Amino acid sequence: AQKITQTQPGMFVQEKEAVTLDCTYDTSDQSYGLFWYKQPSSGEMIFLIYQGSYDEQNATEGRYSLNFQKARKSANLVISASQLGDSAMYFCAMRDRNSGYSTLTFGKGTMLLVSP
Amino acid sequence: NAGVTQTPKFQVLKTGQSMTLQCAQDMNHNSMYWYRQDPGMGLRLIYYSASEGTTDKGEVPNGYNVSRLNKREFSLRLESAAPSQTSVYFCASEDISYEQYFGPGTRLTVT
Repeated sequence: AQKITQTQPGMFVQEKEAVTLDCTYDTSDQSYGLFWYKQPSSGEMIFLIYQGSYDEQNATEGRYSLNFQKARKSANLVISASQLGDSAMYFCAMRDRNSGYSTLTFGKGTMLLVSP
Repeated sequence: NAGVTQTPKFQVLKTGQSMTLQCAQDMNHNSMYWYRQDPGMGLRLIYYSASEGTTDKGEVPNGYNVSRLNKREFSLRLESAAPSQTSVYFCASEDISYEQYFGPGTRLTVT
């Protein structure tokens, strides 16, 4: 079974609207971390946001927030007020005990296109 | 502060040729990683090094070797390249809060 599932291969949103990118994960651990990365067309990987499994509050970083629903094992990324520069590939990733807390497992990504 | 640097940026190899991808970081991080990215597959871990002098296999290590030369440098070697190794290769290093910093990538084509 996939450890990280991103069910949306592509998403479209209009500029200034909010968009949610889905991520579900599979782990039997109680202690784990969830990450989102952005990959623009230029190819570099950019860290966006982190959520620890014991964090009581949902993580936020500027226009990015993580909608963390532990019981449902979901960690959706919410981008508010989308901008044209948000067009990119977005990857969800997890670190857990099975990986010895040493490595990240990535989902297959969601391509977001923001239109004017 | 250059962050994570990778060389070369692009490379074309013939089947059976060997080459080494170089990676260096100047952030004094202990952990370093090599990933490959294929269309529709996300990033998959090839090898990682939790500290200088140690290396461990990731999800897809076959056909690759690595060397953690010192704290700064972590190289990936293809001894006998195969077309299946055509991919984009990313090196990353990690800080103590588990944030990974990625290099710009190497686009490798094996014909």
